[in-house]
Amino acid sequence: GNSVTQMEGPVTLSEEAFLTINCTYTATGYPSLFWYVQYPGEGLQLLLKATKADDKGSNKGFEATYRKETTSFHLEKGSVQVSDSAVYFCARNSGGYQKVTFGTGTKLQVIP
Amino acid sequence: NAGVTQTPKFRVLKTGQSMTLLCAQDMNHEYMYWYRQDPGMGLRLIHYSVGEGTTAKGEVPDGYNVSRLKKQNFLLGLESAAPSQTSVYFCASSYSTRSSYEQYFGPGTRLTVT
Repeated sequence: GNSVTQMEGPVTLSEEAFLTINCTYTATGYPSLFWYVQYPGEGLQLLLKATKADDKGSNKGFEATYRKETTSFHLEKGSVQVSDSAVYFCARNSGGYQKVTFGTGTKLQVIP
Repeated sequence: NAGVTQTPKFRVLKTGQSMTLLCAQDMNHEYMYWYRQDPGMGLRLIHYSVGEGTTAKGEVPDGYNVSRLKKQNFLLGLESAAPSQTSVYFCASSYSTRSSYEQYFGPGTRLTVT
């Protein structure tokens, strides 16, 4: 089936530290891959996406590269800020369908 | 544009009571979804709709019903609430074109069933 596995949290980092949140997906079909972010008390919002192998999605200093050979889509940021504290969800769509499968989420806490 | 709105924001129900959650979107999206979010389980799809008048089951449909009488609205009903339905419920919508699968989420409804 279609599934997404992401590293468990919580992840606690100091401000300006380097961030990596790992995500792997099942290699069925040709999915598009996404990272969504959920700030406290809010709904999810799209952070970045990649629609085919070797694409790099980027937004707000975050990046993720679609790696077909390792079925991975790891999220990275070079220097995190306190305002990046949130829950991050990796996701994939189900081939040609609009349904999206989400990972379990990784909570990031950035301390000053 | 308001985007995706959900009503109510919070609700407490007793076991066996019924209620309806309302989702509305003003982006003319074809597709709409209802998810529940539980600790450690991410988001799970309850029901979805690919257009006005159509609905389909998702991953965890039992105990819920939905209706899409108008394109902009998607209702989620609980006929007889159970404590296992305590959760945060999110509605989302998206375009129907293959070029973009981005889903737009509402702010959520926190439901507690006692």
